[in-house]
Amino acid sequence: AQSVTQLDSHVSVSEGTPVLLRCNYSSSYSPSLFWYVQHPNKGLQLLLKYTSAATLVKGINGFEAEFKKSETSFHLTKPSAHMSDAAEYFCVVPHGLYSSASKIIFGSGTRLSIRP
Amino acid sequence: DADVTQTPRNRITKTGKRIMLECSQTKGHDRMYWYRQDPGLGLRLIYYSFDVKDINKGEISDGYSVSRQAQAKFSLSLESAIPNQTALYFCATSDPRSREGLGELFFGEGSRLTVL
Repeated sequence: AQSVTQLDSHVSVSEGTPVLLRCNYSSSYSPSLFWYVQHPNKGLQLLLKYTSAATLVKGINGFEAEFKKSETSFHLTKPSAHMSDAAEYFCVVPHGLYSSASKIIFGSGTRLSIRP
Repeated sequence: DADVTQTPRNRITKTGKRIMLECSQTKGHDRMYWYRQDPGLGLRLIYYSFDVKDINKGEISDGYSVSRQAQAKFSLSLESAIPNQTALYFCATSDPRSREGLGELFFGEGSRLTVL
């Protein structure tokens, strides 16, 4: 069965410094993986997705993530944080892709704070 | 106009009252979902529907019911609200016709429910 673990509930960085949000997954096969972002008082928005093409995936707003099968990780990074990046970030894995019981599993979320 | 619309956006009610949260979508997707978000717990699936005739319980369906009135409409009801159902509720849709589409959800902006 699939599962996903976000290793940090809260990350705080200074504006202009790199961002690293960590996600580890558990899967019996090579999964699809997603990162979503939720800005305050908003719904979730897809940031980027990995679907077994390139292992380095680029998303919106300068974010990217690298799929590392050997480490079962899909960490989200950005070279330089901006104040507008302050939000909650969720790592997501679909479960049971081709079965009628397919569903989508969310990590518990990482709140990213940006210091001026 | 938003592709996934939730009403009401905010609601305060009292214990024991019946509440309905409504969701409508213009994306033409067959799959619709209701999630509940609580701080530190991420999103938890309440119910999901793969088409008008197919409704399934999620991980936390107790105390909730749903109705899929049409492809575009999926309502969540709390028959007798209790304070621990105070949360932010999200409706979402997905298109299962592609492997990528299985994990990509399109969210409404949420309905904040407070049960006193």
